[in-house]
Amino acid sequence: AQSVTQLDSQVPVFEEAPVELRCNYSSSVSVYLFWYVQYPNQGLQLLLKYLSGSTLVESINGFEAEFNKSQTSFHLRKPSVHISDTAEYFCAVSVPRGTDKLIFGTGTRLQVFP
Amino acid sequence: NAGVTQTPKFQVLKTGQSMTLQCAQDMNHNSMYWYRQDPGMGLRLIYYSASEGTTDKGEVPNGYNVSRLNKREFSLRLESAAPSQTSVYFCASRTWNQETQYFGPGTRLLVL
Repeated sequence: AQSVTQLDSQVPVFEEAPVELRCNYSSSVSVYLFWYVQYPNQGLQLLLKYLSGSTLVESINGFEAEFNKSQTSFHLRKPSVHISDTAEYFCAVSVPRGTDKLIFGTGTRLQVFP
Repeated sequence: NAGVTQTPKFQVLKTGQSMTLQCAQDMNHNSMYWYRQDPGMGLRLIYYSASEGTTDKGEVPNGYNVSRLNKREFSLRLESAAPSQTSVYFCASRTWNQETQYFGPGTRLLVL
């Protein structure tokens, strides 16, 4: 079975500061990794994903995440956050060619202050 | 394309009442999912349908039933609502050759 751990339930940060949201996973088989973002009162949107290839993946709005197999991590980073990045961020895994289910972490609420 | 749509957006029920949450997608996706979101618990899978005509239990299926009416629609039914089912419910879909799930806007349910 797979599991996802997001240790930080809340991360407060000032605008233009860097941020890292941590995600660790547990699995005995290879997995696909995802970060989803949920803005207030909205559904989830895919932010970025790692399926294979380069371990560093980027989103269109400046976020990046690096797959680290040895540390079973997929931390999300942004060098300079904006007020509009305030949202809840979910890390998730799925098993390739498995039951196609997503296993989510408990989420990290990023609060950006001016 | 509207993507994934859910109705209703909000609902208040009394304990013991029944209701059906509706979900539809216009992306010709094969798989559809129902999740519930509770504070501090992330999203948990209730039921999913890998293809039209099939449904399977997820992590928290008790108290729910589902129907994959056709390729577009996947409904979630609460036969006898309980306060523990107060939550935000999300429907999602994906196509067979892509790993990304697309989510609807959610239904906020309060059971008194």
